[in-house]
Amino acid sequence: GAVVSQHPSWVICKSGTSVKIECRSLDFQATTMFWYRQFPKQSLMLMATSNEGSKATYEQGVEKDKFLINHASLTLSTLTVTSAHPEDSSFYICSATGFPGEKLFFGSGTQLSVL
Amino acid sequence: QKEVEQDPGPLSVPEGAIVSLNCTYSNSAFQYFMWYRQYSRKGPELLMYTYSSGNKEDGRFTAQVDKSSKYISLFIRDSQPSDSATYLCAMSLNAGGTSYGKLTFGQGTILTVHP
Repeated sequence: GAVVSQHPSWVICKSGTSVKIECRSLDFQATTMFWYRQFPKQSLMLMATSNEGSKATYEQGVEKDKFLINHASLTLSTLTVTSAHPEDSSFYICSATGFPGEKLFFGSGTQLSVL
Repeated sequence: QKEVEQDPGPLSVPEGAIVSLNCTYSNSAFQYFMWYRQYSRKGPELLMYTYSSGNKEDGRFTAQVDKSSKYISLFIRDSQPSDSATYLCAMSLNAGGTSYGKLTFGQGTILTVHP
């Protein structure tokens, strides 16, 4: 069945560096991808929505210049955390919907730790 | 007030027990209701979805929606140790299109089923 592949599963980086997270749809065309963030013992919070070939739409309070989202193809979206700081340490999860079927699938998540 | 409220637990039950998980919500515009299961540091896995008031059953799982009370429930019958996970309720405004993937999650309830 259709799956969403997310990489890396975990990453540790130094403060001030940038980190890229990839989200790939397998066996389906992901017209829309969503990026969520989950802090420990808290719920998943939607950060942004991206449609293939368009600029991402960010939720209120999410810095678009800090969290760069690219969705240049129907199978790949990337989230780049620029100039990461310890407060950006979190679990980031992507999800995707598209065709055929228009079902929603989640990636396996990326644990980011910023030292 | 959060849009979706969910008791974080933790909830500990013996094997074979009936588990009841609940969420309340404040936005009456929510139309589409889901329950997800999430294992530690993994992406959520869809268990049940429904878009109308009433009950929906799937094996040992029953989802219940009461739109008049803005209250949803998930019941797990004959609970097993393998059911131990975090259970998240989620809601969206629409059942299709981009809004489908814009989910508002509850905080999640940590469930442990002990042998």
